[in-house]
Amino acid sequence: EVQLVESGGGLVQPGGSLRLSCAASGFTFSTYAMTWVRQTPGKGLEWVSAISGSGDGTFYADSVKGRFTISRDTSKNTLYLQMNSLRVDDTAVYYCAKGRQYYFGSGVGDYYCMDVWGQGTTVTVSS
Amino acid sequence: EIVMTQSPATLSVSPGERATLSCRASQSVSSNLAWYQQKPGQAPRILIHGALTRATGIPARFSGSASGTEFTLTISSLQSEDFAVYYCQQYTDWPLTFGGGTKVEIK
Repeated sequence: EVQLVESGGGLVQPGGSLRLSCAASGFTFSTYAMTWVRQTPGKGLEWVSAISGSGDGTFYADSVKGRFTISRDTSKNTLYLQMNSLRVDDTAVYYCAKGRQYYFGSGVGDYYCMDVWGQGTTVTVSS
Repeated sequence: EIVMTQSPATLSVSPGERATLSCRASQSVSSNLAWYQQKPGQAPRILIHGALTRATGIPARFSGSASGTEFTLTISSLQSEDFAVYYCQQYTDWPLTFGGGTKVEIK
């Protein structure tokens, strides 16, 4: 069974840092694109960051660029989101999600839709 | 940025009736469009990818269609477990963007 389990959320003061983790199992983690999506209480979904299946490409929403860093450790099957200079408006539930693949010729490409989601971890930025 | 606009914001439907949800993209997203369902207190769940393809395990009463930049999610006969919020998402260009959601509630 494909499973994603986030951890690392909590209460942090403005300007502080947190590192979120997402433990993956049930699929070949090292080959799939992965994303982070957040949701403010009672609001909609906002894409935060993504990393390509090869790990060579990283992508960020403008709202977090320069403050957040996405990475992966394929030896631990774990995705990370390092969040620095946190602001009150970063308060949200953070979800990690797995992408999909497509095949062309002898290659594999990434689709950045989210076909499996974790249960989410809550980040609260407040003084 | 590609803006995804969902309508209506709220849809009141009786069990057993058909529900039609719309999503419009501000520019072409090809078929790189997904639909998700989210119930209170739960993570979203993918229903449709590639605009038309049901995800694994999704019942056949859910179907997706597309016409240019207009996308539709149809639930043919609403079951009690289908009352939820539905989001569309484009994945053709950065940043990835979601629609604002449609809440399907019991009439």
